[in-house]
Amino acid sequence: NAGVTQTPKFQVLKTGQSMTLQCAQDMNHNSMYWYRQDPGMGLRLIYYSASEGTTDKGEVPNGYNVSRLNKREFSLRLESAAPSQTSVYFCASSEAMGLNEQYFGPGTRLTVT
Amino acid sequence: QKEVEQNSGPLSVPEGAIASLNCTYSDRGSQSFFWYRQYSGKSPELIMFIYSNGDKEDGRFTAQLNKASQYVSLLIRDSQPSDSATYLCAVKGGTSYGKLTFGQGTILTVHP
Repeated sequence: NAGVTQTPKFQVLKTGQSMTLQCAQDMNHNSMYWYRQDPGMGLRLIYYSASEGTTDKGEVPNGYNVSRLNKREFSLRLESAAPSQTSVYFCASSEAMGLNEQYFGPGTRLTVT
Repeated sequence: QKEVEQNSGPLSVPEGAIASLNCTYSDRGSQSFFWYRQYSGKSPELIMFIYSNGDKEDGRFTAQLNKASQYVSLLIRDSQPSDSATYLCAVKGGTSYGKLTFGQGTILTVHP
């Protein structure tokens, strides 16, 4: 039981390049989330998927797209990376969107030069 | 005004002391409250959650919630150097139904 897994762990991009961050969970959770964490800013929600087949914008969605591929997998895509997207990205999942706690993956450290 | 506010610290306490971490929130409709611990370079891990007014104890940790004052706190008794981490307060419910809103975190250092 691996919980929430993310790939890659580290990535360096040049401005304008694209990439997809992958996330998978094996807890049979319905809801999945993407956050970014910047120094002194806490965690900010980028996009979330309340259930398979649905996605919604969070607090900071500009410059990102997501795909809920199936119940297990939720990917985050940067179409044209910018230095402002340098951050640590965390994927999380929860049983549902209600009161249930969220479980986080190990994170992806992304640097855009 | 930020929706969830924490003192960023750092908070420094001696080993064996009580560490007190505080968090205020602005949405009166918030229903559930979480404390996550995050070691440097690692992901957040849930240590406590509380839904009702009052205290909730789990080992050395006590979460306290006062909805009238829109205040939630985490007490760590008998602090250990291994408790040194960033503690994130998160709030769910109200206008942000189902979504967690995080504070910026408080850095705690426990020195021997």
